[in-house]
Amino acid sequence: LAKTTQPISMDSYEGQEVNITCSHNNIATNDYITWYQQFPSQGPRFIIQGYKTKVTNEVASLFIPADRKSSTLSLPRVSLSDTAVYYCLVAPFSGGYNKLIFGAGTRLAVHP
Amino acid sequence: GAVVSQHPSWVICKSGTSVKIECRSLDFQATTMFWYRQFPKQSLMLMATSNEGSKATYEQGVEKDKFLINHASLTLSTLTVTSAHPEDSSFYICSARGLAGGVDIQYFGAGTRLSVL
Repeated sequence: LAKTTQPISMDSYEGQEVNITCSHNNIATNDYITWYQQFPSQGPRFIIQGYKTKVTNEVASLFIPADRKSSTLSLPRVSLSDTAVYYCLVAPFSGGYNKLIFGAGTRLAVHP
Repeated sequence: GAVVSQHPSWVICKSGTSVKIECRSLDFQATTMFWYRQFPKQSLMLMATSNEGSKATYEQGVEKDKFLINHASLTLSTLTVTSAHPEDSSFYICSARGLAGGVDIQYFGAGTRLSVL
């Protein structure tokens, strides 16, 4: 399983765009990149998944460069409720069946 | 998206007793479920992979006789913490594979907070 590296923490203010970058130098050809969000005392919540280039949904965008050795989660116009821990995970496409190894994640604090 | 339900959400027990935690996939079938443990301010740690109709696969360092996993149906997996001790106090989270708009991901339950006195 490819190891991921993310910043331990980030701070932002309401209304700003937040970009969290994840490094995964050993990503394999059949690996997908998935991001989860976790609030205190809750289970992780799926945000977005991608393989290459750019993926966008109603919550976030995911940018993946051509070499796929990193990815950037972009949260547009964050609010206080976006304060959470964000995890970047890499696993084969059948990510549902494969065990996920969570790294430390990025603790995002959004300030008024 | 798919819903994974955990019960109970919080349990307090005395040292030496056993506690059962249920994980259900509410609107889909899950042949594979996963159990994680999370200590305060730490990341999720995978404990075991639960496979319907067969024995669970435990991660290194996880005592299978301590954490009994049963996956008797396609919608239910249970984790039993046997002879619980204070050091077993933690946040336990399950997950199950599901599809969301064609995306193959794991859906997580809300978690169960276990406090052993």
